[in-house]
Amino acid sequence: SYELTQPLSVSVALGQTARITCAGNNIESKNVHWYQQKPGQAPVLVIYRDNNRPSGIPERFSGSNSGNTATLTITRAQAGDEVDYYCQVWDSGGVVFGGGTKLTVL
Amino acid sequence: EVQLLESGGGLVQPGGSLRLSCEASGFTFSRYAMSWVRQAPGKGLEWVSGITGSGGSAYYADSVKGRFTFSRDNSKNTLYLQMNGLGAQDTAVYFCAKNREEAMATMDAFDIWGQGTMVTVSS
Repeated sequence: SYELTQPLSVSVALGQTARITCAGNNIESKNVHWYQQKPGQAPVLVIYRDNNRPSGIPERFSGSNSGNTATLTITRAQAGDEVDYYCQVWDSGGVVFGGGTKLTVL
Repeated sequence: EVQLLESGGGLVQPGGSLRLSCEASGFTFSRYAMSWVRQAPGKGLEWVSGITGSGGSAYYADSVKGRFTFSRDNSKNTLYLQMNGLGAQDTAVYFCAKNREEAMATMDAFDIWGQGTMVTVSS
C-alpha cells in the first residue's frame, strides 16, 4: 500500500518560512492536499491539488510537488500556525494521509 | 451555510455494533462523494471509507473492510456508517467529510468537515 512520510515536527522562527515535507513514491504523479488541524477541531483544507488555495486561506500558504516530495510552505510564520499539518493523496482505491507534522513557532 | 453534522457515537463493548449518521445541508448533496475519516486519541488522521455521489460505489480502508458498511440516502441528505465487530482499535473521533469537487468517482480533497462524533470501544 502507498505510504506518505512526514516529519513528526518542524520548527520555525517567528516571521520566517516553514517548509513541511510529505514523501511518497513518485508523489508528483498524484494530487496532494494539505490540512491544518487545531487541537480539538476538525481539519481545515489549506492547499488542494498540489498548489491551490481554497478561498479564505492566506497567501502565506503555498504548495509544491516534485519527484518524490510534496512541500507545504508557510511564509511569515505566526504563533497561530503552531498546529498540526497533514498531507493526503488518493491511491489505488483509497485515501492515504501522512502521519502529520507538528509545527513549532519559536 | 454548508454544514455536516455527525451523530450516533458512544460507548460500545468489544464485538458490538454502532451506526453513525452524518446529516448534510447547504449544498446539492447527491453531487458529491463523501468520506468518513477517524482520529484515535492523540493520533493522526485515518481515512475509513468513501462513497460516490450516487452511492453506487464505496471504498474502504483495509482496516475496516468486511466490518464497516458505508451508505447514503440522498433523499434525506444523510450518510450512514454501519460498524460491526468493533474493537479497541476502532476507538476514535469519526468525522464525515465532503469532496471539494462534485461529480467525482474517486475521493478528492475534503473541503468541508463535520465536528466529529466520538466512538469508544471498551468493556
